[in-house]
Amino acid sequence: EAGVAQSPRYKIIEKRQSVAFWCNPISGHATLYWYQQILGQGPKLLIQFQNNGVVDDSQLPKDRFSAERLKGVDSTLKIQPAKLEDSAVYLCASSRTSGSSEQYFGPGTRLTVT
Amino acid sequence: GQSLEQPSEVTAVEGAIVQINCTYQTSGFYGLSWYQQHDGGAPTFLSYNALDGLEETGRFSSFLSRSDSYGYLLLQELQMKDSASYFCAVREDDKIIFGKGTRLHILP
Repeated sequence: EAGVAQSPRYKIIEKRQSVAFWCNPISGHATLYWYQQILGQGPKLLIQFQNNGVVDDSQLPKDRFSAERLKGVDSTLKIQPAKLEDSAVYLCASSRTSGSSEQYFGPGTRLTVT
Repeated sequence: GQSLEQPSEVTAVEGAIVQINCTYQTSGFYGLSWYQQHDGGAPTFLSYNALDGLEETGRFSSFLSRSDSYGYLLLQELQMKDSASYFCAVREDDKIIFGKGTRLHILP
C-alpha cells in the first residue's frame, strides 16, 4: 500500500510570511496527525483528526497555526505569520484508529524561517 | 503533566547488545511504544507494549513494567544500519506522547 504523502519536502520562507503543508494519509486510515519536530527532539503533536473532526489540538498555536481535513482524507496545515521558532520538520502521520500506537509517518516537510 | 525520560545518547559496538531505557510519568497510561528514526527520515514503528513483560520481534525486543513506569528497548546483534534515534512514546487516552529520543552510535 502507498505510504503517507507530504509536500513540499523543503520550504524556506522569511518571518511573517505564510506557508502551507499538504498531507495525504494511507488509504482507509481514519486518524491523521500533524507533528512538529525540532532538531534533537521528539515529535510534538500539534493536531489530531478523526475523519474530519478534531480530536486534540491543545498544543496547536491557534493564533498562527490552522489545519483542516475537510473531506476526511487529505489535510493541510498552515502557518500565518511564521516566526523564526517555527523552523522545524512538520510530520504528518496516520493510523487506522484514533490513539493507535502504530502510526505511519510521512517523510516530513523541513521548514526554515529566516 | 506527562514526562518521559530516556538517555540522550548511547554508544555500542557492532554485533553487541544494547538496551535503551525509558521511564515515564503520565496519567491515563495505556501502553508504551518505540519508534526508530534515521537521520533525515521519518519515524517508523518498532513495537508496542500494553502489558507487563517482554515482546520480541526479530533482533529487537521491548519490555514494560507498569508498576515501575519503566520500559526498555533491547537491540541484539547490532548492525551499522541500526545507527539512528530511538523514541519511546506513551499512549495516553487517544494520543501518543513522544520522548526526546536516544541517539544510538554504533562503532565498527
